Amino acid sequence: SAVISQKPSRDICQRGTSLTIQCQVDSQVTMMFWYRQQPGQSLTLIATANQGSEATYESGFVIDKFPISRPNLTFSTLTVSNMSPEDSSIYLCSVEDLGGPYEQYFGPGTRLTVT
Amino acid sequence: GQQVMQIPQYQHVQEGEDFTTYCNSSTTLSNIQWYKQRPGGHPVFLIQLVKSGEVKKQKRLTFQFGEAKKNSSLHITATQTTDVGTYFCAGTEYGNKLVFGAGTILRVKS
Repeated sequence: SAVISQKPSRDICQRGTSLTIQCQVDSQVTMMFWYRQQPGQSLTLIATANQGSEATYESGFVIDKFPISRPNLTFSTLTVSNMSPEDSSIYLCSVEDLGGPYEQYFGPGTRLTVT
Repeated sequence: GQQVMQIPQYQHVQEGEDFTTYCNSSTTLSNIQWYKQRPGGHPVFLIQLVKSGEVKKQKRLTFQFGEAKKNSSLHITATQTTDVGTYFCAGTEYGNKLVFGAGTILRVKS
């Protein structure tokens, strides 16, 4: 299975600012995903990051708020823009393992607190 | 849209007791997956079920996929403190994205 790292692991940010979260994978993967998990809650898919094309956003998430880059097959970034306290959450990237359809492997997550 | 419901929300068991969490989808699934998230950790893939009526075992864990491919269960026999965490099911409709259930939090008293 792929090994995934995320930076930063946690951050405390002021409202109105932006934070870019990095996701690095140790092997080339086609599909990368960004999820949000609020404390004690389930995972909500923000978008699918495709290399060489625009990210595909889920209902309720827009590119202006959560711009995503996918410059190559091992790296992606998610930016949380113009943050408010409601954006406080854990942000997780995941990849789909080519060894089996749809199995996803998650990074350690970025814990974001907006004050 | 596709919805995946999971019950119970929370279960607190004595070490050695059994535990079961149930997952139901509003639509027929192409496959269902189970993940475990330890407190403070990230979700870790446990298993994927694809076939109608499929049953798979991993040591003390037994996973089932319903005949209609709309429900699934995870059963843990003789729980241990290492089983503590949140168990998520996640289902995929044919060609669509993975949708996670709300999760079941398991606490084990020793």
